[in-house]
Amino acid sequence: GAVVSQHPSWVICKSGTSVKIECRSLDFQATTMFWYRQFPKQSLMLMATSNEGSKATYEQGVEKDKFLINHASLTLSTLTVTSAHPEDSSFYICSASGVFSGNTIYFGEGSWLTVV
Amino acid sequence: QKEVEQDPGPLSVPEGAIVSLNCTYSNSAFQYFMWYRQYSRKGPELLMYTYSSGNKEDGRFTAQVDKSSKYISLFIRDSQPSDSATYLCAIGPQAGTALIFGKGTTLSVSS
Repeated sequence: GAVVSQHPSWVICKSGTSVKIECRSLDFQATTMFWYRQFPKQSLMLMATSNEGSKATYEQGVEKDKFLINHASLTLSTLTVTSAHPEDSSFYICSASGVFSGNTIYFGEGSWLTVV
Repeated sequence: QKEVEQDPGPLSVPEGAIVSLNCTYSNSAFQYFMWYRQYSRKGPELLMYTYSSGNKEDGRFTAQVDKSSKYISLFIRDSQPSDSATYLCAIGPQAGTALIFGKGTTLSVSS
């Protein structure tokens, strides 16, 4: 299957700072990328959908000024958590799809964010 | 009613057992059905996907969709300890669009 890479896998940051998570599609062009958040023992909750070259569409209840999403190229999307707080600590997962992935959605390995 | 319902388990079975995992959904517009496997602290891994009613088989895994009942299943034959994971059903209106996930069923296969 297609490969989606996320970096970093683990990150710890101080409260009030910002942290950036990268999501890359390694072997296909991802026209659409999705960002999810998953709390322990919970399902994946969609945060936003981004299409290359356009602004992300955020789900209800997700603050777009706090979770900045950039999808500047067909292989890279970034999620920046601004002014992070301990309640932002979670598992963040990106997924990607494109014509050459058969529009099937593939997931990255996820990034564990801990805000202290 | 939630859009996708999945029994979270946990489900414990002995090695070699046949496992049945199920989800129900409410919106008949959903056309795209997927099953993901997620190991602890890892991202979901795509197992199977299907667009239509009926069965789709891949090795020990069989995905079944009944659109008339809005019911999907994943069967695992000859289950192995390595199958121990959380299994998530995911459903979408069409390919490439955002998926709606079930809560996941945690499976434990004992040797």
